[in-house]
Amino acid sequence: GENVEQHPSTLSVQEGDSAVIKCTYSDSASNYFPWYKQELGKRPQLIIDIRSNVGEKKDQRIAVTLNKTAKHFSLHITETQPEDSAVYFCAASRTTSGTYKYIFGTGTRLKVLA
Amino acid sequence: NAGVTQTPKFRILKIGQSMTLQCAQDMNHNYMYWYRQDPGMGLKLIYYSVGAGITDKGEVPNGYNVSRSTTEDFPLRLELAAPSQTSVYFCASSPDRARELFFGEGSRLTVL
Repeated sequence: GENVEQHPSTLSVQEGDSAVIKCTYSDSASNYFPWYKQELGKRPQLIIDIRSNVGEKKDQRIAVTLNKTAKHFSLHITETQPEDSAVYFCAASRTTSGTYKYIFGTGTRLKVLA
Repeated sequence: NAGVTQTPKFRILKIGQSMTLQCAQDMNHNYMYWYRQDPGMGLKLIYYSVGAGITDKGEVPNGYNVSRSTTEDFPLRLELAAPSQTSVYFCASSPDRARELFFGEGSRLTVL
């Protein structure tokens, strides 16, 4: 079945440094890869997403890269700030026929140290 | 727009009791999902629906049931509550497949 693995489970970085979170997916038909941020006690919210026809996407300090051949994608946060501290989830889904499950990775707790 | 509204926000159940978590969205979204999030853990898909009258199982459906009689509402039924169902439950909706999910604020359920 569909599976999304996410690493690392926790990540601590100094303020101003970069953070990288990696995910791999099992369903080769997946073609949509979003990233969500969940602050403590809050609901998850989308921060960036990428589709399989694009290899990289940037939005200010965050970027996502996709390697379809290896079936993995990564979130990059540059110049980290204390407000980036949160749990980040990757997910995989598909637009093609078949299951329309929206499966999440296990999450990465990012701590940005001031 | 209220977005996705979940009720109740908090509930304590005794083992063996049953209850329904309500979820309503006012964005006319066809796709709706129920997830559970155990403490310090990720989001596990319980059930999802691609439109009124159509539902399907997710990763962890045992112990739960759903129905989707209208586009707006997607209730989650817990039968014979067990301590293992202690969790935060999130309902989410999306306008189409493989799009952004809009989450409700969550419902914290404790089974004692």
